[in-house]
Amino acid sequence: KAGVTQTPRYLIKTRGQQVTLSCSPISGHRSVSWYQQTPGQGLQFLFEYFSETQRNKGNFPGRFSGRQFSNSRSEMNVSTLELGDSALYLCASSLRLVRDTEKLFFGSGTQLSVL
Amino acid sequence: GQNIDQPTEMTATEGAIVQINCTYQTSGFNGLFWYQQHAGEAPTFLSYNVLDGLEEKGRFSSFLSRSKGYSYLLLKELQMKDSASYLCAVRGNSGNTPLVFGKGTRLSVIA
Repeated sequence: KAGVTQTPRYLIKTRGQQVTLSCSPISGHRSVSWYQQTPGQGLQFLFEYFSETQRNKGNFPGRFSGRQFSNSRSEMNVSTLELGDSALYLCASSLRLVRDTEKLFFGSGTQLSVL
Repeated sequence: GQNIDQPTEMTATEGAIVQINCTYQTSGFNGLFWYQQHAGEAPTFLSYNVLDGLEEKGRFSSFLSRSKGYSYLLLKELQMKDSASYLCAVRGNSGNTPLVFGKGTRLSVIA
């Protein structure tokens, strides 16, 4: 079974631009969560989608948005990029909504550099 | 809110035992996870604790004390390939709560 796939693997953008990252979950998984990982802050929760609906949102500005499609694939978008948005963006999928023992399966991430 | 603390870096010798601690303060508790992340790779699941006590899985064990808000990951017979970051993550119990991660402990195994 294929794992979580994230594209692109690396991305370089300049301030003010926007970017779209893609995530394909494990086949059959319906929940997709997004995290931002930086050396100083660790993994910080962005949002979770289940059945095309955003079920939970972290403490990030409105420039960060996402969506989920009927095939469970998800995209996240960051508009008006800032230098501080440089980070590894990780997508994780799970079979159901993130609850209790439900563990997350992570992709390798998209490394975004904002110049 | 939730706060999770773990040491930033640790170094241990090949063949030895190392214990990585994690303390947490959460509004409710519904489980603690440990993940391993090699540089440039995806985090991978190691263990899950929801009840007090020790969970053993091969060379890795994880312990939980809910009353103390404390967990540790024990790695035995260290190998060079165990050099990685170890992430402690906690789930609260207020409905639809996401998994909240600590900043991770970078373990270096030396010969």
